[in-house]
Order: sequence, then C-alpha cells, then structure tokens
Amino acid sequence: QKEVEQDPGPLSVPEGAIVSLNCTYSNSAFQYFMWYRQYSRKGPELLMYTYSSGNKEDGRFTAQVDKSSKYISLFIRDSQPSDSATYLCVRREYGNKLVFGAGTILRVKS
Amino acid sequence: SQTIHQWPATLVQPVGSPLSLECTVEGTSNPNLYWYRQAAGRGLQLLFYSVGIGQISSEVPQNLSASRPQDRQFILSSKKLLLSDSGFYLCAWGRDRSSPLHFGNGTRLTVT
Repeated sequence: QKEVEQDPGPLSVPEGAIVSLNCTYSNSAFQYFMWYRQYSRKGPELLMYTYSSGNKEDGRFTAQVDKSSKYISLFIRDSQPSDSATYLCVRREYGNKLVFGAGTILRVKS
Repeated sequence: SQTIHQWPATLVQPVGSPLSLECTVEGTSNPNLYWYRQAAGRGLQLLFYSVGIGQISSEVPQNLSASRPQDRQFILSSKKLLLSDSGFYLCAWGRDRSSPLHFGNGTRLTVT
C-alpha cells in the first residue's frame, strides 16, 4: 500500500469551477503536509503547507487536513486555465522523511 | 530572494557514458541540498541529500553518486549510465531538514 495516495486523474473542469484535489495517507505520524504544483517539464513549486487539522487559506487555495479520516484536500476557487498542472500531495514525517504522492493531473478548460 | 539553477534541461546520453548534472543555489548559505528522481506515475524518489560541504547521504544504492564541492553546489554523477537511469532528475534545497523544499526545473535524462 502506498503511503500517500492520489487519484492520478486527469481531472477536467471548466474555467471558474471549484476544484477539489484529494489525498489519503496510511501512516498517522506526521509533522505536516504540503501541496506542490508542477507544470509540464518543470520542477514542483510549493503552494502551501499545513501543520494541523483544519483549514488553511491562501488566496484562491485552501488546504484541509482531516486527521481522523487521514484525508487531505486542496480546494481551488475560481479555477483558471493557468491552474492546469499536476498537483502533488506530500507528507513530512517525524525524522524529516518526505513521502510524495504520484500527483493528480488537473485540466481547466476555458 | 533564493533561486536554484539546474542544468542541462535535457540530456541524451548513450549507455555506458558518464554523467554530470549540476545544481547551484543563490541567495542563501549552508542550505540542505537534495537530488530526487521522478518517474511517470510515481512519487518523487530521494536519491541523495547533503547538510554541508562534503557531507552526502545516499538513500538508494545504485549507479549514481553525488558530491558537494562548495556550499551551494550539488553534483549528480555516474561513471557508466544504464538504460534504467533515464528519468527526470530534480535538485532541491531547504533551509534545514524540517523546512519545505524548493525545487529546480529538473533535467530530463534519456539514456539510449
């Protein structure tokens, strides 16, 4: 079983839609979670990181962690074609090990 | 602000040839440096990390090696490439071992 699971997609949505990207994990011990955005042929770009359960908001992006269900979500409001990318969910464990999901491909159509 | 540079962006090399990929970081001192490999449909795999000059930790035994000759320079090498070395190689830096990582734009290596 992969330690961090993501639906590979692609997820296709119309411009302006609210996007929900999800991630599940199997190991309860963690320091914090991160979301990275990766455009084609580019390196991952850090979007957000969150230490605790609940919501963290940054502009059009909201990260949500539900420890009880081991579920992590990234919401994108008013999605734009420029949001089309692969989104990586990452968990940092105690001991500083990073566990990467394989990513979800998002396509926002204008 | 900090920036990270990786080169080359793409590379095609024959089997058995040597490899040298370079990564440099600007705007910070004594960063933690990392080499990752990304395969399609899989999460990033940590290859090497370094907490200081000359200090290299290997996560995966393989055909590759890393060196850190200067504080903000990290090099990934191989003496003889294998077909299985093909992939997307990413360099990253972090302020310390518990900080989020910042990635370069990667090198697409194809071994033929």
